[in-house]
Amino acid sequence: NAGVTQTPKFRVLKTGQSMTLLCAQDMNHEYMYWYRQDPGMGLRLIHYSVGEGTTAKGEVPDGYNVSRLKKQNFLLGLESAAPSQTSVYFCASSPDRGNYEQYFGPGTRLTVT
Amino acid sequence: KQEVTQIPAALSVPEGENLVLNCSFTDSAIYNLQWFRQDPGKGLTSLLLIQSSQREQTSGRLNASLDKSSGRSTLYIAASQPGDSATYLCAVRATSGSRLTFGEGTQLTVNP
Repeated sequence: NAGVTQTPKFRVLKTGQSMTLLCAQDMNHEYMYWYRQDPGMGLRLIHYSVGEGTTAKGEVPDGYNVSRLKKQNFLLGLESAAPSQTSVYFCASSPDRGNYEQYFGPGTRLTVT
Repeated sequence: KQEVTQIPAALSVPEGENLVLNCSFTDSAIYNLQWFRQDPGKGLTSLLLIQSSQREQTSGRLNASLDKSSGRSTLYIAASQPGDSATYLCAVRATSGSRLTFGEGTQLTVNP
């Protein structure tokens, strides 16, 4: 049982490039989340999903897109990266109704130059 | 808008001490509160989840309390160990199914 995994662990992008971050969970959780963590700002919710085929905006969704084609995977896309998107990105999942504990992945450190 | 504050931002204690970490939130109408631990360069690990109807939760040397009326939660760590060194974050959920609002965390260092 690997829990929540994230790919890649590190990435450097140039302004304007695109990329996709992959999150996978093997706990059969319904809810999945993407957060970013920045110094002085704490963790902020980007997008989330309440089940396969569904997505919803969080607190800071601009510049990001997501997809949940399979229950176990949640993808975060950056179509045109900007330096302001330099951050550490965390994926999380939780069981039904999202009121239970959230389980986090190890994070992806993204630098946009 | 809910705001979550954790003071102090950093704390250093000698091994063996009992310690208390504080979390305060501006809107007392919360659904539940969760404490996390984050090791450097790692993700968050859930420690304790307290529902709004509960006063406290315990797990091993950890005890979390919740006082909704005053907008406060504390995380008590007994007999601290160097392995407890990490950043501790609290997060509140306003209503059933809503998102978590995180504090910025307290960075704890336990010195041998």
